[in-house]
Amino acid sequence: RKEVEQDPGPFNVPEGATVAFNCTYSNSASQSFFWYRQDCRKEPKLLMSVYSSGNEDGRFTAQLNRASQYISLLIRDSKLSDSATYLCVVERRAGSYQLTFGKGTKLSVIP
Amino acid sequence: EAQVTQNPRYLITVTGKKLTVTCSQNMNHEYMSWYRQDPGLGLRQIYYSMNVEVTDKGDVPEGYKVSRKEKRNFPLILESPSPNQTSLYFCASKRTVQETQYFGPGTRLLVL
Repeated sequence: RKEVEQDPGPFNVPEGATVAFNCTYSNSASQSFFWYRQDCRKEPKLLMSVYSSGNEDGRFTAQLNRASQYISLLIRDSKLSDSATYLCVVERRAGSYQLTFGKGTKLSVIP
Repeated sequence: EAQVTQNPRYLITVTGKKLTVTCSQNMNHEYMSWYRQDPGLGLRQIYYSMNVEVTDKGDVPEGYKVSRKEKRNFPLILESPSPNQTSLYFCASKRTVQETQYFGPGTRLLVL
């Protein structure tokens, strides 16, 4: 099992749709989890950290299931500006700064 | 403006010619890291530093060196570049383990 695996995509969805991204990780000792967004040929930017209790930021909701070693990101009411590649990121040990990135899932929101 | 800067942004070089990519941050961050991004492989961590004079290997350190002599700078050194080091390189920094990581704009390197 790869350390961090994501849906390969691409996801092509109409404006206003709800889209969900999934990510699994293999190291059960992993402590910190993040979703990043990367626009074409640009640097990744943090979208949100993922907490055990789940967290929401506007149209974005992140969930963590430690038992299944699974992270998700839900985007509601998709906008054209949401088109990007979404990267799942796992920190292997608490405080280690050893980060493993998933390969990313490309999202295209279509008018 | 808080930022991470990298230089150069674009570089074409030849096999074996030593080069350095500089990374500087103006946020007084403790943590700095280098990544490379390749199609189909995603972002992979090369080296990271948790403080001045403290560096450690990431997943793909072979062929690279780093140094952290001062907090703001974290240069990436390729002593003898090879074509398989052709890639997009990102530097990043963050203040503490829990906080957001900020990325530089990237350096596109082509080794002929």
